Amino acid sequence: AQTVTQSQPEMSVQEAETVTLSCTYDTSESDYYLFWYKQPPSRQMILVIRQEAYKQQNATENRFSVNFQKAAKSFSLKISDSQLGDAAMYFCAYLVGFGNEKLTFGTGTRLTIIP
Amino acid sequence: GAVVSQHPSRVICKSGTSVKIECRSLDFQATTMFWYRQFPKQSLMLMATSNEGSKATYEQGVEKDKFLINHASLTLSTLTVTSAHPEDSSFYICSARGDLAGTGSRQETQYFGPGTRLLVL
Repeated sequence: AQTVTQSQPEMSVQEAETVTLSCTYDTSESDYYLFWYKQPPSRQMILVIRQEAYKQQNATENRFSVNFQKAAKSFSLKISDSQLGDAAMYFCAYLVGFGNEKLTFGTGTRLTIIP
Repeated sequence: GAVVSQHPSRVICKSGTSVKIECRSLDFQATTMFWYRQFPKQSLMLMATSNEGSKATYEQGVEKDKFLINHASLTLSTLTVTSAHPEDSSFYICSARGDLAGTGSRQETQYFGPGTRLLVL
């Protein structure tokens, strides 16, 4: 069974600084997708970034980028120039695209931004 | 694009009554919709997967007769909590996945609704 591990229950970062959230996963598949979702206090799940496993290039979305290490099964999220609005629960998620459509979520990392 | 709405956002009901929650994809056709339950300070727990026009697939331990799911169209899925009890109080979230560009190609990304907070007294 696929598992997703987020080893940091809580993280904090000074505003305007950079923070990295870690995520590891366990799978025997070679073709899959990885996601980072953000859940702010409103509890709306928001897609932050997505990575296809077959792509070697790390995905980036403005201030958000990932470090995807397929051999190590690691998928960390880097947030640059942290802003107060980045404060949220961040969930890493894994999906095998064909035949198994379920998202497997990690337990989440609560990110606090210090003004 | 990729907006998913959920209604109601909050509902309080008496024990023994039924509650219906709607999930709509507003700007794309959702071939698959998912229903999750989230307990405080925990991750999302998948309850069931529904494909338009077919019966929902429930996760192990989820009572299909208690949590009725209908996916009658490509833009609407409903979750009905039947004979609700206080232990059913929770935050319920739906997500949808489909063909965002109208090209006929399936998208793997799930887009989430804003959630429904259910309180059963």
